[in-house]
Amino acid sequence: GQNIDQPTEMTATEGAIVQINCTYQTSGFNGLFWYQQHAGEAPTFLSYNVLDGLEEKGRFSSFLSRSKGYSYLLLKELQMKDSASYLCAVTGSSASKIIFGSGTRLSIRP
Amino acid sequence: EPEVTQTPSHQVTQMGQEVILRCVPISNHLYFYWYRQILGQKVEFLVSFYNNEISEKSEIFDDQFSVERPDGSNFTLKIRSTKLEDSAMYFCASSLGTGGLFDEQYFGPGTRLTVT
Repeated sequence: GQNIDQPTEMTATEGAIVQINCTYQTSGFNGLFWYQQHAGEAPTFLSYNVLDGLEEKGRFSSFLSRSKGYSYLLLKELQMKDSASYLCAVTGSSASKIIFGSGTRLSIRP
Repeated sequence: EPEVTQTPSHQVTQMGQEVILRCVPISNHLYFYWYRQILGQKVEFLVSFYNNEISEKSEIFDDQFSVERPDGSNFTLKIRSTKLEDSAMYFCASSLGTGGLFDEQYFGPGTRLTVT
């Protein structure tokens, strides 16, 4: 089966940096996704990691360690609009089936 | 920019009734998906569809659920006899079907289903 763990809630300050951690156990592993979801809206794709290491995309970076079953999403220069849930998700033995974690609700304070 | 669309945005139905949720995937995409999210809970995979047949389904997708591509543009999810616990946001998604490990799924805005 699959199990994905991430913190339920985090708070950070505008302009700061925050790291959201995710650990996973899956039967088979293809890749790891991070999605952003604002309340009442659809998830939107942020990043995909399949190899170990850091992927950087603007203010957002994502890291993967396959041997440790661990990933993090790093958000820099936080803005108020970054207040949202951040969903860690994996594809296991099937690349077409995304398994989502419960998400981390990030609140940004001024 | 092309996007996945879903109708209706909100559907209210009585327990035991049939509902059909509609989606128009991005036009050149080959894979289609349905996910659901019960309020306050995680997004859950229901089913994937390729080449006019189900390619994978979860344990949630039991006999009361069915999917169809009735024409060249629509992709539907039917719930035969709704239960209170079917109340959720239902998201449709589509992807190119690149055949590789990474095949980005584009999500529609969702249909909120309320069963009373």
